[in-house]
Amino acid sequence: EPEVTQTPSHQVTQMGQEVILRCVPISNHLYFYWYRQILGQKVEFLVSFYNNEISEKSEIFDDQFSVERPDGSNFTLKIRSTKLEDSAMYFCASSEGGLAGWETQYFGPGTRLLVL
Amino acid sequence: KNEVEQSPQNLTAQEGEFITINCSYSVGISALHWLQQHPGGGIVSLFMLSSGKKKHGRLIATINIQEKHSSLHITASHPRDSAVYICAVSSTGNQFYFGTGTSLTVIP
Repeated sequence: EPEVTQTPSHQVTQMGQEVILRCVPISNHLYFYWYRQILGQKVEFLVSFYNNEISEKSEIFDDQFSVERPDGSNFTLKIRSTKLEDSAMYFCASSEGGLAGWETQYFGPGTRLLVL
Repeated sequence: KNEVEQSPQNLTAQEGEFITINCSYSVGISALHWLQQHPGGGIVSLFMLSSGKKKHGRLIATINIQEKHSSLHITASHPRDSAVYICAVSSTGNQFYFGTGTSLTVIP
C-alpha cells in the first residue's frame, strides 16, 4: 500500500541552524501539508501546497519557514534559523486531490526535531 | 481560543465496552476528520465527513452540522483500540484546526 515517507526520523540541531525536513508524498496525490506537534500539545497546521505553490498557511508559518517541491517527488520544509520553540514532531501529509480539506489525508511517520 | 474541543480528555474502558468520544467546533467547516494517533506518534485518518454518519468496521462517526458537533463511537472495544483520537476540522477559510485529543485506554 502506498505511504507517505519522511526523512530523517530524528534531527538534532543547534539553535540558529537551518534544517530541511523531507517528505515523499504518495505519488498520485496533488495536495501536500505540513503539521507540527509540540510534545504534549495538539497538532497544528502549518501549510498546504498545491500546484507548486502555497495554498494556505497558518500564523505559525512565518518568514522562517518555507516549502518546496524541488523535483516532483520530494516535498520539503525548511526552517531557516531554528529556535528552541521549533522543537516538535513535524508531520507531512498528502491527499489525492480536489479541494483541500475535502479529501482524506495520509500522514507520514513524522520527523522529531530537537533544537538545542 | 480553541476552535475544536474534545471530551473526554482521557478515557479508560473495559474490553467490550461501547465508547463515545465527542467533538464540538466553533468555526464554519468544509469537513471534519477523525484521526488516530498511536503511542509511537504515527497518525492515521479514520474518517472524513461533512454530513450524516459513516461506519467502518467497529467505528462509527456522526456529525450534526447545525449543532457543530461530532461523535466517534467504538463498539466492542479492544485493547488494540488504545490510542489518542483526534478531531480536526477543515474550515471554510481553508485552515485546519485540531482538538487536543482523547487518550483512550482499553483494559483487557
